[in-house]
Amino acid sequence: AQTVTQSQPEMSVQEAETVTLSCTYDTSESDYYLFWYKQPPSRQMILVIRQEAYKQQNATENRFSVNFQKAAKSFSLKISDSQLGDAAMYFCAYSGNKLVFGAGTILRVKS
Amino acid sequence: DAGVIQSPRHEVTEMGQEVTLRCKPISGHNSLFWYRQTMMRGLELLIYFNNNVPIDDSGMPEDRFSAKMPNASFSTLKIQPSEPRDSAVYFCASSSGTSGSVKNIQYFGAGTRLSVL
Repeated sequence: AQTVTQSQPEMSVQEAETVTLSCTYDTSESDYYLFWYKQPPSRQMILVIRQEAYKQQNATENRFSVNFQKAAKSFSLKISDSQLGDAAMYFCAYSGNKLVFGAGTILRVKS
Repeated sequence: DAGVIQSPRHEVTEMGQEVTLRCKPISGHNSLFWYRQTMMRGLELLIYFNNNVPIDDSGMPEDRFSAKMPNASFSTLKIQPSEPRDSAVYFCASSSGTSGSVKNIQYFGAGTRLSVL
């Protein structure tokens, strides 16, 4: 069975600084997708970024980028120029034949 | 687009009562998913439908839980009878794509917070 591990229960970053959230996964599948979702206090799940496993190029979405290391089964999220609105719970998710979520990382942004 | 719409936003009920959660997916989406979020177990996929047909219900915890999708624009998740351990936030999500698989981007509703006393 596929598993997703987020080893950082909580992270803090100073406004305007950069922070990296870690994610590793385990799978025997070769074709899959990886996602980062953001859940602010409103509890709405918002897609941040998506990465197809067959693409070597790391996905980027404005201030958000990923470091996808397929061999290491690692999928970290980098947030540049952090803003107060980035404060939320961040979930890493693996999608093969099922969507599996990690336990989440709480990100706090200090002003 | 209004997005995925879930109702009610909050539900408080007593143990043993029937609870029905509702979801309206994004128009044109052909896959619908029900998730449960708890502190202990995180986000769990309960069931998903493709073209109104249940594809995988292996995440449904027990027979007290049932889900239906009578048409492309409506789905329900029912718990009968409800128990305190069912207290959680229940999310509905929808997606579109030719494969109708979980690999497509899922768009989530705001969730229903269920409290069973």
